Amino acid sequence: DVKVTQSSRYLVKRTGEKVFLECVQDMDHENMFWYRQDPGLGLRLIYFSYDVKMKEKGDIPEGYSVSREKKERFSLILESASTNQTSMYLCASSPRKKTGVTTDTQYFGPGTRLTVL
Amino acid sequence: AQSVTQLDSQVPVFEEAPVELRCNYSSSVSVYLFWYVQYPNQGLQLLLKYLSGSTLVKGINGFEAEFNKSQTSFHLRKPSVHISDTAEYFCAVSDGGGFKTIFGAGTRLFVKA
Repeated sequence: DVKVTQSSRYLVKRTGEKVFLECVQDMDHENMFWYRQDPGLGLRLIYFSYDVKMKEKGDIPEGYSVSREKKERFSLILESASTNQTSMYLCASSPRKKTGVTTDTQYFGPGTRLTVL
Repeated sequence: AQSVTQLDSQVPVFEEAPVELRCNYSSSVSVYLFWYVQYPNQGLQLLLKYLSGSTLVKGINGFEAEFNKSQTSFHLRKPSVHISDTAEYFCAVSDGGGFKTIFGAGTRLFVKA
């Protein structure tokens, strides 16, 4: 079974703090993603990475950065947390197909519920 | 640009009744379609997907969905729901050539005894 783990289930931080959210997958997947999930808005893509040290902005990258130094690990960084970043953060991974569909099934971690006070 | 609309934000239904969760998409290219389920306090997991071939797709837990290209829809159905089906369901679309999957806003299914 594919396993995607996230470093914390619940996190409480103060405004202005630097926050690190870690994600690790054990299936040797090339692609990794960070989403935030808010009620009524579904999942919105923050950043994704299709290879080590590669990253691409998603739909809402402002206020976030990412790091992918190893294939299995993808970190989301909030440089200076703000209250509007209070949300559920979901990490996902997917394999890269040699031919055919690139964007196939994504495997999700359990999520980190971040509260910024 | 691609988009996904889930037409119902909440669907209450009695146990053993049939259910349909509606999803419409817009895209200018060929699409790949997915339904994911999120149980309380968990991440998302794949229910089923349409990549090509038969337009009727069967998934886990007795769910199925039908791809209708002319109506740009991918509605999810189950003939008889259980209490354990209570969850949030997300429809998603990708074009297969890139890396982005667009998710709908979600539909909360409440199954009542």
